[in-house]
Amino acid sequence: GAVVSQHPSRVICKSGTSVKIECRSLDFQATTMFWYRQFPKQSLMLMATSNEGSKATYEQGVEKDKFLINHASLTLSTLTVTSAHPEDSSFYICSARLALMAEQYFGPGTRLTVT
Amino acid sequence: TQLLEQSPQFLSIQEGENLTVYCNSSSVFSSLQWYRQEPGEGPVLLVTVVTGGEVKKLKRLTFQFGDARKDSSLHITAAQPGDTGLYLCAGLAGGTSYGKLTFGQGTILTVHP
Repeated sequence: GAVVSQHPSRVICKSGTSVKIECRSLDFQATTMFWYRQFPKQSLMLMATSNEGSKATYEQGVEKDKFLINHASLTLSTLTVTSAHPEDSSFYICSARLALMAEQYFGPGTRLTVT
Repeated sequence: TQLLEQSPQFLSIQEGENLTVYCNSSSVFSSLQWYRQEPGEGPVLLVTVVTGGEVKKLKRLTFQFGDARKDSSLHITAAQPGDTGLYLCAGLAGGTSYGKLTFGQGTILTVHP
């Protein structure tokens, strides 16, 4: 159990375009999902916390108008990178948890490359 | 802001050697989780420790949570090339942090045959 999927696994887009990444909890309902960004050989950096039915909470320094998060249901959250630039190229990972203090289960990540 | 200091950042050892990774903080965590991540994949949960002083074993991996729930260690016995990867500790905060995880910097482990 506790499987989280992400789609797509990798995407290449041109500078100025927008890209949507989906995060799904496959076998449980996730009250909260998290979005992380990871640079090569570094740890995970939390971008935002996504609660179903309410606005996402962004970490300091993360532009909410650039990284749009929608948590439409208890099993789906989406991250849209708007007007992407090469510096947005990174590995984006989502996680999902069932309850407030429960463990987080991570998706396989999405490699975004902006050319 | 809660910080979790993880060390060492890099570890390169020979097959069969033992190693220990440490995570330390000045803050108390409700629980602490250890993950292993391979390149191009998401982190995979190895263990969660909850009680101060708790020790958990997972085959050749031994995890310990400090008595004060501020620090933790991961010890690997007789490391194998298959243990190679990025190891991450993450503390779960309570209170107003809404259950967010605070990650350590990660330890890149390379085990040479």
